[in-house]
Amino acid sequence: GAGVSQTPSNKVTEKGKYVELRCDPISGHTALYWYRQSLGQGPEFLIYFQGTGAADDSGLPNDRFFAVRPEGSVSTLKIQRTERGDSAVYLCASSKVGGPHEQYFGPGTRLTVT
Amino acid sequence: AQSVSQHNHHVILSEAASLELGCNYSYGGTVNLFWYVQYPGQHLQLLLKYFSGDPLVKGIKGFEAEFIKSKFSFNLRKPSVQWSDTAEYFCAVSTTSGTYKYIFGTGTRLKVLA
Repeated sequence: GAGVSQTPSNKVTEKGKYVELRCDPISGHTALYWYRQSLGQGPEFLIYFQGTGAADDSGLPNDRFFAVRPEGSVSTLKIQRTERGDSAVYLCASSKVGGPHEQYFGPGTRLTVT
Repeated sequence: AQSVSQHNHHVILSEAASLELGCNYSYGGTVNLFWYVQYPGQHLQLLLKYFSGDPLVKGIKGFEAEFIKSKFSFNLRKPSVQWSDTAEYFCAVSTTSGTYKYIFGTGTRLKVLA
């Protein structure tokens, strides 16, 4: 079956611009996670959705970062006033609800802020 | 706070050598444990997982891991590596309730020489 998809695969933007990154989870997976992976590091948790609501946004670094999942499926991570330090690979993962299910990861979006 | 340590950042082995990658975590409660692999140009894939029961877990491609609760460790092993095992390996921990978000280690880059 189809896995988690993310678009775009690469995004280059100028400092100060606004970007949106999209994640399409596996069908039927109600749990959705965003992670950020900087060079040489493991992925770091950003935000978790259970259905449409953000159940845990404790990993968002500041208020320039925001994510939505209006219909409980596709999610968009939004970054305002991008900074060079935002350059990283942004990963999306989904999993089934109701237990310690493993997460399935997408290919990521590589964001470069120039 | 939870943390995960992977002490081997880069490992180089010849084909047929045995592999052991260390993973230690810091958390006082019950955890779920995972090893993920990222092959060059590909997304994170689950190698194996531990939720409960037998602490020796077998995964795909001949990998196994042993959960030693007293040492807070979940080391990954493979008796005989192949060139195709060249990849980056990540250990991850999640809680057994709540959001199940992952805390990742920094990863170990394995290079297998043919």
